[in-house]
Amino acid sequence: KAGVTQTPRYLIKTRGQQVTLSCSPISGHRSVSWYQQTPGQGLQFLFEYFSETQRNKGNFPGRFSGRQFSNSRSEMNVSTLELGDSALYLCASSLYGTQETQYFGPGTRLLVL
Amino acid sequence: AQSVTQPDIHITVSEGASLELRCNYSYGATPYLFWYVQSPGQGLQLLLKYFSGDTLVQGIKGFEAEFKRSQSSFNLRKPSVHWSDAAEYFCAVGGNTDKLIFGTGTRLQVFP
Repeated sequence: KAGVTQTPRYLIKTRGQQVTLSCSPISGHRSVSWYQQTPGQGLQFLFEYFSETQRNKGNFPGRFSGRQFSNSRSEMNVSTLELGDSALYLCASSLYGTQETQYFGPGTRLLVL
Repeated sequence: AQSVTQPDIHITVSEGASLELRCNYSYGATPYLFWYVQSPGQGLQLLLKYFSGDTLVQGIKGFEAEFKRSQSSFNLRKPSVHWSDAAEYFCAVGGNTDKLIFGTGTRLQVFP
């Protein structure tokens, strides 16, 4: 089976812009979670989607949003980018949820200038 | 509230030496516990997990971890470290349908 894929791998944006990141889970996986990884804060949970519904949400501002499509692919959107949004954004998929083994993608590295 | 503490930010060991990475957690119910490894420029890979049952868990690449409820710990061990084990290691805790909370990671450096 193909692994979790994330596009794009690298992205440079300027403050105030918005960005959309994409994640394709492993075939058959219905749960997709997103994480933000920064040197200062480590790995922080953004949200989890299961069967097109947001099931869990972390403590991030409303500028961070996501969605999941019927084929389980997921997108994450960040509006009005801030310098502090520069990070590695990781997507993980699993069959049913975060209590199982999650398979991570390579991440999208976002740099906000 | 859920939390995970990895007290060692950076550990250096010689190749062939034994390794123990510490992880302490706080969780209100029976936790699900995980260890993940991240090599530079890569995503995370699961090393092992504990849900229930035997408190000594075997994982991939020769790693094992022991769940100690009385100490709220889930330390990762390896009897003999290889240079390829150099990476960052993350402990995580979660529960049924709960979000996964990660520790801040321990960076492992291996000297030949």
